[in-house]
Amino acid sequence: AQSVTQPDIHITVSEGASLELRCNYSYGATPYLFWYVQSPGQGLQLLLKYFSGDTLVQGIKGFEAEFKRSQSSFNLRKPSVHWSDAAEYFCAVGADNYGQNFVFGPGTRLSVLP
Amino acid sequence: DAGVIQSPRHEVTEMGQEVTLRCKPISGHNSLFWYRQTMMRGLELLIYFNNNVPIDDSGMPEDRFSAKMPNASFSTLKIQPSEPRDSAVYFCASSLVPDGSGTFGSGTRLTVV
Repeated sequence: AQSVTQPDIHITVSEGASLELRCNYSYGATPYLFWYVQSPGQGLQLLLKYFSGDTLVQGIKGFEAEFKRSQSSFNLRKPSVHWSDAAEYFCAVGADNYGQNFVFGPGTRLSVLP
Repeated sequence: DAGVIQSPRHEVTEMGQEVTLRCKPISGHNSLFWYRQTMMRGLELLIYFNNNVPIDDSGMPEDRFSAKMPNASFSTLKIQPSEPRDSAVYFCASSLVPDGSGTFGSGTRLTVV
């Protein structure tokens, strides 16, 4: 069975600074990887996903993530953080073609300082 | 489109009572998912429908939980009888295909006392 870890429970960055949120997964085959963002009181919104092909994936809101098979990682990055990026971020791994059998990481809460 | 609509937004009920959560997916979406989110367990996929048919219900915790999708525009998640440990936020999501790109509703916060 697959599993996901997000080593950082809470990260604080200053507005305009760069951001990297870590995600490590465990799965024996090629994973299907996702990053979601959850604003307070809201559902999740898909930022980006990786199924195959180019290992650097571009998403919405200026986010990108890089799949590194050798490190079992799928870290999320953004070059310049905006105050509106403050939210909870979840990495998820799917096990099959359609990715519906998701396992979510515990989440990383991002705070942004003005 | 109004997005995925869940009702109620908040539900407080007494232990032993039946609870029904409702979800209206985005029109045209063929896949519907129910998730539960708690502090202890994080986000868990409960059940997944495709074209109104339950495909994977392995995440449903107990027989007290049941989900139906009588048509393409409506789904329910029922808990009978409810217990305090069922307290959580329940999310519904829908997508055109089950590829992880689902749109989530705002959730129903359930409190069982």
